[in-house]
Amino acid sequence: QQPVQSPQAVILREGEDAVINCSSSKALYSVHWYRQKHGEAPVFLMILLKGGEQKGHDKISASFNEKKQQSSLYLTASQLSYSGTYFCGTEGWEAAGNKLTFGGGTRVLVKP
Amino acid sequence: GAVVSQHPSWVICKSGTSVKIECRSLDFQATTMFWYRQFPKQSLMLMATSNEGSKATYEQGVEKDKFLINHASLTLSTLTVTSAHPEDSSFYICSARDQGGVYEQYFGPGTRLTVT
Repeated sequence: QQPVQSPQAVILREGEDAVINCSSSKALYSVHWYRQKHGEAPVFLMILLKGGEQKGHDKISASFNEKKQQSSLYLTASQLSYSGTYFCGTEGWEAAGNKLTFGGGTRVLVKP
Repeated sequence: GAVVSQHPSWVICKSGTSVKIECRSLDFQATTMFWYRQFPKQSLMLMATSNEGSKATYEQGVEKDKFLINHASLTLSTLTVTSAHPEDSSFYICSARDQGGVYEQYFGPGTRLTVT
């Protein structure tokens, strides 16, 4: 089953923060986050494997709440380069080490 | 590291012809590769899982006779769209998992197929 992402779209001013949520109806083994710019392939951001795990790269970070079967991606002090569509990909325990199911995506536009 | 290439980047073909798309992992071995299809402003829809040395596993609703997948080596998987029709026009993206890593999945640059 496809995970649900929210919001579907968000518009930010440069320097503002945003949170993107990804919720699943089944227990998760891992959550993967990607960013895709128009006409390009998705770019891997990070993977979260353990409940309670938090990771970050530059000013983009993510958390994984295993009990709630959800993950959140945090865009802090957003930059123009953060614009794009963000997808979460989830992996259930039955498919661990195998395929991902992607959410519908969250379109982020960062304006000057 | 972790680079996946696809060829061609784009292709225009006539209805009824077949098109082959190649996916290569350039700096790692991938026993498993995945093929996705993406329509404009939509999410990535998994078509099939390609396993080196064995038959591909297709998702429900994907015609295996129309979308032929071959995983000839640990670094190469191919997708052939047979008897293409205009409704097959789409953005096809492959990905590969780095078995040496923590199962990160890296995507190729994608192939835009237009069937006229």
